[in-house]
Amino acid sequence: DSGVTQTPKHLITATGQRVTLRCSPRSGDLSVYWYQQSLDQGLQFLIQYYNGEERAKGNILERFSAQQFPDLHSELNLSSLELGDSALYFCASSAPGGLETQYFGPGTRLLVL
Amino acid sequence: DAKTTQPPSMDCAEGRAANLPCNHSTISGNEYVYWYRQIHSQGPQYIIHGLKNNETNEMASLIITEDRKSSTLILPHATLRDTAVYYCILISGYSTLTFGKGTMLLVSP
Repeated sequence: DSGVTQTPKHLITATGQRVTLRCSPRSGDLSVYWYQQSLDQGLQFLIQYYNGEERAKGNILERFSAQQFPDLHSELNLSSLELGDSALYFCASSAPGGLETQYFGPGTRLLVL
Repeated sequence: DAKTTQPPSMDCAEGRAANLPCNHSTISGNEYVYWYRQIHSQGPQYIIHGLKNNETNEMASLIITEDRKSSTLILPHATLRDTAVYYCILISGYSTLTFGKGTMLLVSP
């Protein structure tokens, strides 16, 4: 158990819909990262927040957005869903320091039908 | 545009050492070698990292060749719970993680 929690564990929805994935970081961690892992693309970095502010942006689509709230939990919003958005979405959190301090949550498996 | 090359799969007997190779012939001077693993559909887990010296922690050892063009992750006494996909990646400065295909290690009884 990494201490990072993600809800829901599984999500099934239809094309064109919008979903929200939620992440609670480890106690004391100010940084939250979102990643997407699909079978053909591997693990791809989407976006990072640090203490409520966007810190870094990766290959995140315009249909996707995220935010980090004052209590440090984060939400990833996916809209106008397409079949290709089906993937595992991981959240990670970290304390200041190297990547070895980054801990991953269990992931949310999204299936778009 | 993979900067590392790993075998797609390896087998290891339980209790024996698992030696996972990684080639990174175009590594830059400021790039560290990081190893992560991912047990089936769980989040990736950090294992170890190094720049040019060999490193050891409670999970594994990392051997980096003198020319830094390749490295080997060693799990000294593999257990069934070490069955996972192992990723070797190069990271410099502030960076985020992008994994390739990795090596699927199967530890058998």
